[in-house]
Amino acid sequence: NAGVMQNPRHLVRRRGQEARLRCSPMKGHSHVYWYRQLPEEGLKFMVYLQKENIIDESGMPKERFSAEFPKEGPSILRIQQVVRGDSAAYFCASSQQDRGGEKLFFGSGTQLSVL
Amino acid sequence: GDSVTQMEGPVTLSEEAFLTINCTYTATGYPSLFWYVQYPGEGLQLLLKATKADDKGSNKGFEATYRKETTSFHLEKGSVQVSDSAVYFCALSPSYSSASKIIFGSGTRLSIRP
Repeated sequence: NAGVMQNPRHLVRRRGQEARLRCSPMKGHSHVYWYRQLPEEGLKFMVYLQKENIIDESGMPKERFSAEFPKEGPSILRIQQVVRGDSAAYFCASSQQDRGGEKLFFGSGTQLSVL
Repeated sequence: GDSVTQMEGPVTLSEEAFLTINCTYTATGYPSLFWYVQYPGEGLQLLLKATKADDKGSNKGFEATYRKETTSFHLEKGSVQVSDSAVYFCALSPSYSSASKIIFGSGTRLSIRP
């Protein structure tokens, strides 16, 4: 049973370009969460999705950031017109039910570097 | 608001040394507390948890006790191994809440030398 798969592992973008980060949850998991980790900081919640629906996007910046989790295919976190401050590690996690931290499975993350 | 503060790293120890990584929290109500571990190149994994005061979580030789009086959840291991080298995150989750409400500490990088 494959774990949570994120790709790419490393992504380099120039300022103003778009970044697309992908996350395939574990088989049977319909809840997906995105977190961002800035250097020397803990993971910060961004958005929570359940197939085709955004449940909570309270941690996601209102501009330039968007997320989706279509009926078929991976969840996508999209950052338009990237800036240097977007450089961070982005982690995706999935679960079968939304039960806090107990049944949460994380991917290996995507390290985004903005030049 | 709720928060988690953990010991800054990096922490470097010799094999078989005793390990303590401090973690304190502020929260309303009765949160659940967790330690996650991130091995090089991998995602976070749940190491142990405690859901109420005085509970002790344990796994792989690691232990942490939920101390409400000191609002702490320190991670300990009696004899570390090189394979324990990783980043350790303390976290809390408000009672019966969504994973979207989890609050993570900033992580402590642990390096064990042979």
